[in-house]
Amino acid sequence: GENVEQHPSTLSVQEGDSAVIKCTYSDSASNYFPWYKQELGKGPQLIIDIRSNVGEKKDQRIAVTLNKTAKHFSLHITETQPEDSAVYFCAAPRVTGGGNKLTFGTGTQLKVEL
Amino acid sequence: KAGVTQTPRYLIKTRGQQVTLSCSPISGHRSVSWYQQTPGQGLQFLFEYFSETQRNKGNFPGRFSGRQFSNSRSEMNVSTLELGDSALYLCASSGSGGNYEQYFGPGTRLTVT
Repeated sequence: GENVEQHPSTLSVQEGDSAVIKCTYSDSASNYFPWYKQELGKGPQLIIDIRSNVGEKKDQRIAVTLNKTAKHFSLHITETQPEDSAVYFCAAPRVTGGGNKLTFGTGTQLKVEL
Repeated sequence: KAGVTQTPRYLIKTRGQQVTLSCSPISGHRSVSWYQQTPGQGLQFLFEYFSETQRNKGNFPGRFSGRQFSNSRSEMNVSTLELGDSALYLCASSGSGGNYEQYFGPGTRLTVT
């Protein structure tokens, strides 16, 4: 099955700096790569995703890049703000068998310091 | 559109009891997936229901079961609760296209004592 590794597990940045979180996946057939943000006491919120037919996608201060050859994808947050502090998860689907099963990375605790 | 709703939000049960959790997906979504989130194991897939049929299943014991109704609402049941079942149970809703986009509810925090 799919295996997703995520690094780093914790990340502390100064407000205004950039943050980068990286994930690798094992199933070369995977074709969809979402990123979720989870704040304390809430469910994961889908913040951006990318499909395998593009290499980069941007939405205001967040962007995701995908390298299918190396089987890794990254989340980039620019001009970080205190409200960006949360746990971020990457995920990849299990393509065989159909359906909507996602395998998640272990999460990155991002702390944006004033 | 209203988001995914889950009830109850918090639950305390005793070892050996059973529990039923409920999830209402986003209007028009026909796929509901359930995940267990714990500090030690992270987010783990339990099962997915689509059009009242289980379409995918994770690696959990048979004590974990689910069902989906004709209005796409889903329930999951855990029988003979164990201390290790204490977790945040999350429900995610998807459209019918199998395009993997999933939207999560706030979760049900289950504590087993």
